[in-house]
Amino acid sequence: DAGVIQSPRHEVTEMGQEVTLRCKPISGHDYLFWYRQTMMRGLELLIYFNNNVPIDDSGMPEDRFSAKMPNASFSTLKIQPSEPRDSAVYFCASSLTRNTEAFFGQGTRLTVV
Amino acid sequence: AQKITQTQPGMFVQEKEAVTLDCTYDTSDPSYGLFWYKQPSSGEMIFLIYQGSYDQQNATEGRYSLNFQKARKSANLVISASQLGDSAMYFCAMREPPSSNTGKLIFGQGTTLQVKP
Repeated sequence: DAGVIQSPRHEVTEMGQEVTLRCKPISGHDYLFWYRQTMMRGLELLIYFNNNVPIDDSGMPEDRFSAKMPNASFSTLKIQPSEPRDSAVYFCASSLTRNTEAFFGQGTRLTVV
Repeated sequence: AQKITQTQPGMFVQEKEAVTLDCTYDTSDPSYGLFWYKQPSSGEMIFLIYQGSYDQQNATEGRYSLNFQKARKSANLVISASQLGDSAMYFCAMREPPSSNTGKLIFGQGTTLQVKP
């Protein structure tokens, strides 16, 4: 398997624009996580899905953030409108079950100017 | 609520020596999983080792071992024979217990390890 695949790897956008981050989990994995990493706040869990259903979105910072998982092989994280404080590395991760390790994608480095 | 604490922001170790990275956790459930990840400067998150709360023995994976002290709620990572390539940030993480039926995975703040030649 190719592992968790995220796109794009880097994204630079202007404040106010919509940004969509994409993730393809490892085939057969039931859990999908979206994390945000910043120097100040470390690794924050934004939202996670189990069998395509959002379980906990309490980490989503504002209504500007939304995430979907229309099928088992694809998820998106959307920020609309984007702000400079959204600049961070966004990771997607997947795990086989709720008790096993999560495998991470390469991350998307988002810069909002 | 579950919580992970890594109290060492940064650590130094001489090449070929062993180093211990601290991790304490807080949970009221007897069943949980503990993980360590490595994040080199290139940014990817690499899974290193796993310890289940009911595992009788400390987990080991090559040069990595986990010093699991359940009563103290600590799960320290021990890296033996440090190599220059071990220089990275290390994260301790905990998986919420099955009883919560969620599978949430939370991380500590991380420890930056630098290996000196």
